[in-house]
Amino acid sequence: SQQGEEDPQALSIQEGENATMNCSYKTSINNLQWYRQNSGRGLVHLILIRSNEREKHSGRLRVTLDTSKKSSSLLITASRAADTASYFCATVGFYNQGGKLIFGQGTELSVKP
Amino acid sequence: EPEVTQTPSHQVTQMGQEVILRCVPISNHLYFYWYRQILGQKVEFLVSFYNNEISEKSEIFDDQFSVERPDGSNFTLKIRSTKLEDSAMYFCASSEMGGSSNQPQHFGDGTRLSIL
Repeated sequence: SQQGEEDPQALSIQEGENATMNCSYKTSINNLQWYRQNSGRGLVHLILIRSNEREKHSGRLRVTLDTSKKSSSLLITASRAADTASYFCATVGFYNQGGKLIFGQGTELSVKP
Repeated sequence: EPEVTQTPSHQVTQMGQEVILRCVPISNHLYFYWYRQILGQKVEFLVSFYNNEISEKSEIFDDQFSVERPDGSNFTLKIRSTKLEDSAMYFCASSEMGGSSNQPQHFGDGTRLSIL
């Protein structure tokens, strides 16, 4: 399997705190993407980081990628109650032309007001 | 902002019946995908579709499954003879280009399929 683990499986924090989620994968990738899923809804694309990039920012989101360790992290700064959702990393394999996403198990984030 | 739409939002079907799940991808997108998520589990790839043919499919996508783009806007997933284990949330996604182009995929809100 291309995808490894995400940790933690669940994370509960207070509003204003930072949340960090980690993702590992097993094979060479073209890119790694993070998605958010609110309960009962579809997946919303958050950020894409290419295999030759090490860090990317988008608003309160910061993603890092370490291809030597085959791992990535998503940091949400100054969390809000509205950030409560499940967060998934997904990879596109290096040789995959079709763009198939391989998802991790996800981290369930709960932000308490 | 353009979005992927899926219908119906919930489908209840008797085991053994055929079901068709419908999706309208974003209009200028060229790659289309189906994924499924069994309750409490991770999202799993089913099939990708480009240029009116399947470009890749997973082991889950057996002979009971088929996909079609019957016109310029719809993209459908058909399950010929449903089984209890087909109960899941099915997501359609589309992207402008394929994987090597580093484009994100845009997902619909899903169809919850319940097999009785």
